[in-house]
Amino acid sequence: SQTIHQWPATLVQPVGSPLSLECTVEGTSNPNLYWYRQAAGRGLQLLFYSVGIGQISSEVPQNLSASRPQDRQFILSSKKLLLSDSGFYLCAWSLLGGSTDTQYFGPGTRLTVL
Amino acid sequence: GEDVEQSLFLSVREGDSSVINCTYTDSSSTYLYWYKQEPGAGLQLLTYIFSNMDMKQDQRLTVLLNKKDKHLSLRIADTQTGDSAIYFCAERGSGSARQLTFGSGTQLTVLP
Repeated sequence: SQTIHQWPATLVQPVGSPLSLECTVEGTSNPNLYWYRQAAGRGLQLLFYSVGIGQISSEVPQNLSASRPQDRQFILSSKKLLLSDSGFYLCAWSLLGGSTDTQYFGPGTRLTVL
Repeated sequence: GEDVEQSLFLSVREGDSSVINCTYTDSSSTYLYWYKQEPGAGLQLLTYIFSNMDMKQDQRLTVLLNKKDKHLSLRIADTQTGDSAIYFCAERGSGSARQLTFGSGTQLTVLP
């Protein structure tokens, strides 16, 4: 069966510090991968998605970047965090070419920027 | 563009039925989904429905789809305190990565 992991689970970082959040998927190959941010207001904002190694699409301009160095690894980064980067970051995967495109979510990372 | 709307809050008594509603704008949507998010956790897929279906039932959950009105609902029978969570409606878009567009979520509170 497939599982998705995210770490760390929680993170408190000062403004201006770098960021690296990791997401890995097990039990499937060539997944589509997604990074979402959920702000306090609850809505989900799609940040990045990837259909393959090294292929990253950005949905909104921002202080963040994403990379996919391996098939089942997706990394969210920042060189200098802003206060507005605080939020709950969710990684998700879906089956490439799947008929339903159902997305399966990881447990999330709570980021607080102080 | 695609838009999905939900009411923000719903309160019900334990044992009653809950009905969470959602409207969407993309007439080309082929799949619509319901996810559940408990506090501090990721989103858990509850169910999905294909656009050529009117209804789907899975144990206590019933999904109704009115494609003409672009209206989707999730009914939870015999609501329990463990059903308290945020429920998200989502539709599959037409982008290259088959992205999902999510509603803002409905906070369901089950009162004893």
